[in-house]
Amino acid sequence: DIQMTQSPYFLSASVGGRVTITCQASQDIGNYLNWYQQKPGKAPELLIFDASNLQTGVPSRFSGSGSGTHFTFTISNLQPEDIATYYCQQYDDLPPTFGPGTKVDFK
Amino acid sequence: QVQLVDSGGGVVQPGRSLRLSCAASGFSFRKYAIHWVRQTPGKGLEWVAVVSEDGKNRYYADSVKGRFIISRDNSKNTLSLQMNNLRTEDTAVYYCARDAGQLAGITYYFDYWGQGTLVTVSS
Repeated sequence: DIQMTQSPYFLSASVGGRVTITCQASQDIGNYLNWYQQKPGKAPELLIFDASNLQTGVPSRFSGSGSGTHFTFTISNLQPEDIATYYCQQYDDLPPTFGPGTKVDFK
Repeated sequence: QVQLVDSGGGVVQPGRSLRLSCAASGFSFRKYAIHWVRQTPGKGLEWVAVVSEDGKNRYYADSVKGRFIISRDNSKNTLSLQMNNLRTEDTAVYYCARDAGQLAGITYYFDYWGQGTLVTVSS
């Protein structure tokens, strides 16, 4: 199985600030990488697919980049409703696998 | 709007069985593959199984192969997961999730999720 790692596991930022999360795959996955947001007690929601494409309805302050084994997820202008855990997920190879998550909180 | 409602979770002893259901609405159910994904505090998010749009193709994670059966009823817009010979490590919140591809094969990523149903396997 392809192993996905994320860093950091936890980060705190200020409202209006910039958040960057990295995701690394154990082998080349091209751009078959998605990002999900999960708020406490809720199901994950798809934010970005194919590494950099914003899902319909997702605010433009969310963005993603990268290919191969190294990917980046960014929230610019952090809003209170962005407090959540963020997961990357690869679907280049079966089974699809997720990163361990990055919890984002306020300073 | 797209809605997936999971149900059927509960507390069950090791070795017993449980059946989960997922009721879909707000989209053409027969046009999408549907998955089960589970989540535990320890192992995080884990893909469990998928059934193709027409129900003919089913694929499973190695951890549940031979014990779980995924099925669907396109006339009722429902998905099921029959879980047999349950183990303590199957304890998790189980989500049904829609595949992002419409009549395009299985993409293995998930654009809508149910609210989840908790399965606890304990003696």
